[in-house]
Amino acid sequence: GENVEQHPSTLSVQEGDSAVIKCTYSDSASNYFPWYKQELGKGPQLIIDIRSNVGEKKDQRIAVTLNKTAKHFSLHITETQPEDSAVYFCAATASGDYKLSFGAGTTVTVRA
Amino acid sequence: GAGVSQTPSNKVTEKGKYVELRCDPISGHTALYWYRQSLGQGPEFLIYFQGTGAADDSGLPNDRFFAVRPEGSVSTLKIQRTERGDSAVYLCASSSNTGFEMGLHFGNGTRLTVT
Repeated sequence: GENVEQHPSTLSVQEGDSAVIKCTYSDSASNYFPWYKQELGKGPQLIIDIRSNVGEKKDQRIAVTLNKTAKHFSLHITETQPEDSAVYFCAATASGDYKLSFGAGTTVTVRA
Repeated sequence: GAGVSQTPSNKVTEKGKYVELRCDPISGHTALYWYRQSLGQGPEFLIYFQGTGAADDSGLPNDRFFAVRPEGSVSTLKIQRTERGDSAVYLCASSSNTGFEMGLHFGNGTRLTVT
């Protein structure tokens, strides 16, 4: 099955700086890569996703890049704000596959 | 509209007891999923329903776990003879379809503590 590894496990950044989270996956058949943000006591919320037919996708301050050859993808948050503090999860799945395989999460703390 | 609703939000039970966890998906969503999230980990797949039937229950850890969705809407996850290792947050999610356009919508979960 799919194995997703995520780094770093914790990340502390100064407000206004950028944050980068990296993930690798093992199954070359995977072609859908969502990112979720989870706040304390809440369920994961989809913030951005990318499919294998594109290498980069951007939505305001967040962007995701995908390198299918190397089997890794990254989340970039620019101009971080205190409300960006949360746990972020990457995930991967193959087209038509309903099972998401999640990374272990990255706790992001934005210092004011 | 309303999101995925899970009840109870917290459940404390003694080892060996039976528990039921309920999920109300977003209205009209045909696909429903249960995931389990242990402390400090990402969610892990348990079971997937398409309509009333369990299309894939390969993530259920053993036969103490069972889930139903009799009318294709509300789902109940049932755990028999609970063990301390079952303690986790149980997340339910729904989506309007499966496959490439998945877009899972998660509820806030039920935190199960087995003492």
